Amino acid sequence: GDSVTQMEGPVTLSEEAFLTINCTYTATGYPSLFWYVQYPGEGLQLLLKATKADDKGSNKGFEATYRKETTSFHLEKGSVQVSDSAVYFCALVMDTGRRALTFGSGTRLQVQP
Amino acid sequence: SAVISQKPSRDICQRGTSLTIQCQVDSQVTMMFWYRQQPGQSLTLIATANQGSEATYESGFVIDKFPISRPNLTFSTLTVSNMSPEDSSIYLCSLIGGKTQYFGPGTRLLVL
Repeated sequence: GDSVTQMEGPVTLSEEAFLTINCTYTATGYPSLFWYVQYPGEGLQLLLKATKADDKGSNKGFEATYRKETTSFHLEKGSVQVSDSAVYFCALVMDTGRRALTFGSGTRLQVQP
Repeated sequence: SAVISQKPSRDICQRGTSLTIQCQVDSQVTMMFWYRQQPGQSLTLIATANQGSEATYESGFVIDKFPISRPNLTFSTLTVSNMSPEDSSIYLCSLIGGKTQYFGPGTRLLVL
C-alpha cells in the first residue's frame, strides 16, 4: 500500500540555521503531497502542498519540491526561527479511490535561540 | 477553506464510559474523515464518513467501538465507546476541499 517515510527526530537547530526534513513516499500512482505542521498544543495546519511532479510548494519561507524520479518531497527553510518549533508531518493522498491522507511518522523540530 | 469546529475541545473520562465528539463544518461536504493521534504518534485514519451511507472503517477499527453518524452534509459525530486508557488520544475530523484536506482543531481525550 501507499506509505510515507520521514526522517526521525527530534531535529535541533539554532536560530537562523538551514533546515531540511527528508520525506520519501511509495504510491501506486501519482499522489498529491503535503506538509502539515502541528504547533505545541494545537491542531494540524496545512503548511504547503504540491499536486504534480516538479511542482514546488511554498509558504512562510518553507519550500518543498515534488520529485517523481526520487519519490521525494523534502521540506526546506533557509533560516529557521524559534517560532518554527513544531512537529512536521509529510503526507500523501491519491486523487481517486481512497481519498484519506497517508501520514509519515512526524518530525519534531526544536529551534534554540 | 472551510471552517471546522469540534466539541468538546478536551475531556477527561472514566474507563468504561463513552464520549461523543461533534464535528461541525460551515459548508456542505460529501466526504468527511475521522483520525486518531495517539500521544507522540502520527495520525491514523479511523473511518470515512459519507452522508447517506454507512461509515467505512479502517483495519483495526470497528463500528461497535467507534460508531459514527453523518446526518447531513455539515455535521458528523464520532463516539468512543467503553473507553480504556489506551483510547487517550487526540481525535480529529477532516474534510477535503479541492485537492487539500483540512482538519478540525481536535478533541483531546484522557481516559483514567
